[in-house]
Amino acid sequence: GAVVSQHPSWVICKSGTSVKIECRSLDFQATTMFWYRQFPKQSLMLMATSNEGSKATYEQGVEKDKFLINHASLTLSTLTVTSAHPEDSSFYICSARPPGMGTRQPQHFGDGTRLSIL
Amino acid sequence: DAKTTQPTSMDCAEGRAANLPCNHSTISGNEYVYWYRQIHSQGPQYIIHGLKNNETNEMASLIITEDRKSSTLILPHATLRDTAVYYCIVKDSNYQLIWGAGTKLIIKP
Repeated sequence: GAVVSQHPSWVICKSGTSVKIECRSLDFQATTMFWYRQFPKQSLMLMATSNEGSKATYEQGVEKDKFLINHASLTLSTLTVTSAHPEDSSFYICSARPPGMGTRQPQHFGDGTRLSIL
Repeated sequence: DAKTTQPTSMDCAEGRAANLPCNHSTISGNEYVYWYRQIHSQGPQYIIHGLKNNETNEMASLIITEDRKSSTLILPHATLRDTAVYYCIVKDSNYQLIWGAGTKLIIKP
């Protein structure tokens, strides 16, 4: 149980393009999902918390107009990197927390999306 | 900043038990300890979590000291596929996972 699917797994696109990444909870409903970014040889950094039916909460230093998050249903959150540039190239990972036990419930992660901007 | 400290790297022979230590001396009474691992180029995988009692599941065992200031993750029979970076995590005041550098565990044949 607690499977999170992320799509696509790999994207290569030209500078200036917008890229959408999907995160789905396959066997549970998630009112809250999380988006992380990981640069090579570094640890995960939380970008934003995605809340179903309301606005996402962004971490300090993350541009909300550049990283658009939509959590339109209890099983789907999307991250759109708008007007992507080479410095946005990174490994983007989503996670979701199954219901019950509140914030103590462990998050489960997707397999990540490797984004390369040429 | 991460609220845990772990060794940078460890080696373990295939088939032996891998014991990964974690120090969390500032943990508060109601904070859980979570363990995840990340195999190269994949998303993190949840392993186990606990509060004060020892926990065991199909992947690993978690031993938490009585004072809760440290814990040890045990992989009972390590295989080559267990090579990964292992993260010991205590959530911050906003209930978010704070990722440190983790322990790079290398299983050797």
